[in-house]
Amino acid sequence: SQELEQSPQSLIVQEGKNLTINCTSSKTLYGLYWYKQKYGEGLIFLMMLQKGGEEKSHEKITAKLDEKKQQSSLHITASQPSHAGIYLCGAVRSGSARQLTFGSGTQLTVLP
Amino acid sequence: ETGVTQTPRHLVMGMTNKKSLKCEQHLGHNAMYWYKQSAKKPLELMFVYSLEERVENNSVPSRFSPECPNSSHLFLHLHTLQPEDSALYLCASSRVFGGTDTQYFGPGTRLTVL
Repeated sequence: SQELEQSPQSLIVQEGKNLTINCTSSKTLYGLYWYKQKYGEGLIFLMMLQKGGEEKSHEKITAKLDEKKQQSSLHITASQPSHAGIYLCGAVRSGSARQLTFGSGTQLTVLP
Repeated sequence: ETGVTQTPRHLVMGMTNKKSLKCEQHLGHNAMYWYKQSAKKPLELMFVYSLEERVENNSVPSRFSPECPNSSHLFLHLHTLQPEDSALYLCASSRVFGGTDTQYFGPGTRLTVL
């Protein structure tokens, strides 16, 4: 199993629908990052969560950190085709506090 | 989004060629990173430079050779690569290395080894 598990691996939604992507760590989290990637391109930083219970929003995207569950969720409200892409979580975790570990990503398709 | 630039964006090379990837950051950061992204696999950290000194080398084969001449520039020299080295190579930078400083990524170089 991966050290940073993302689910689902892929998601297809109709425009206007809400969706949630999860990222779960097997180790204590010190910082959790969400990035978005268009296929074959670089990662665009969305937001970073550090404290348990912390919640941040960027336009229609909201991310939360559940420290007890070692988990973060990314929620998109009223999805649009512009939200399509690969969402990656990255984490600074115990035992590897000097490096960022990434999940495998969630491929999001939004149908018009 | 132009804070970290990478050239070339695409590269096709034979196994006997020597080429270099270039990364430049305009953010005033002190740490720079090389990552490899292969299909269906998480990003793999290859090298980290902090204040122009290499601080991490994650068991990368010697056919990959990094160089950091100053805090704004990072190179990845490639020689005698294998087809399995085909991947997207991403450069990133952060204010400092370690801790929870956000890493900002370049657009990547898509490398194909024939």
